[in-house]
Amino acid sequence: DAKTTQPTSMDCAEGRAANLPCNHSTISGNEYVYWYRQIHSQGPQYIIHGLKNNETNEMASLIITEDRKSSTLILPHATLRDTAVYYCLVYLNSNYQLIWGAGTKLIIKP
Amino acid sequence: GAGVSQSPSNKVTEKGKDVELRCDPISGHTALYWYRQSLGQGLEFLIYFQGNSAPDKSGLPSDRFSAERTGGSVSTLTIQRTQQEDSAVYLCASSLDRGRGYTFGSGTRLTVV
Repeated sequence: DAKTTQPTSMDCAEGRAANLPCNHSTISGNEYVYWYRQIHSQGPQYIIHGLKNNETNEMASLIITEDRKSSTLILPHATLRDTAVYYCLVYLNSNYQLIWGAGTKLIIKP
Repeated sequence: GAGVSQSPSNKVTEKGKDVELRCDPISGHTALYWYRQSLGQGLEFLIYFQGNSAPDKSGLPSDRFSAERTGGSVSTLTIQRTQQEDSAVYLCASSLDRGRGYTFGSGTRLTVV
């Protein structure tokens, strides 16, 4: 079973910030939180990852709670092209078995 | 190349035939995965290669499935005696090491008729 839980779907208005939550209450101290997204008919695309500190890159920001039991992916100014399924995964640097859940289907509305 | 390349992009085959799916990972990436994704479903792990280590085949659904990775680069996934339930998108991903984000190819859409 996937080690994360995410809402099945979310809507967001174009131009607004999209905040996608993920619960990972059983995360171990050395496991990272990774986010990927999959646009229809394409392979998944890596977005961002983090361990404890909040992270930001050109695509998104990742906010991890202090107890590390949950995180939020933030797309600061959502566009229609951000419509995709967003996957949150938890895994060790040295762990190769990635268990993928169903993800969150994010729909950006004009 | 700049990304992970998979071929063919689409394959239609008759039930009972064998198929070979190819993955060209990013040059220098030591880790390579195969996944499959059925329509509307999440990704299902199939097999993992890491450098020269023995591959982790624990995700292969039956002995009709096999994969090899030659010279630590190109990988081939072979499905023998295909069945209709094998119809799915087969995705390949590679990574520089286990701790980084993985780069996925666009997949091979296999349809068994």
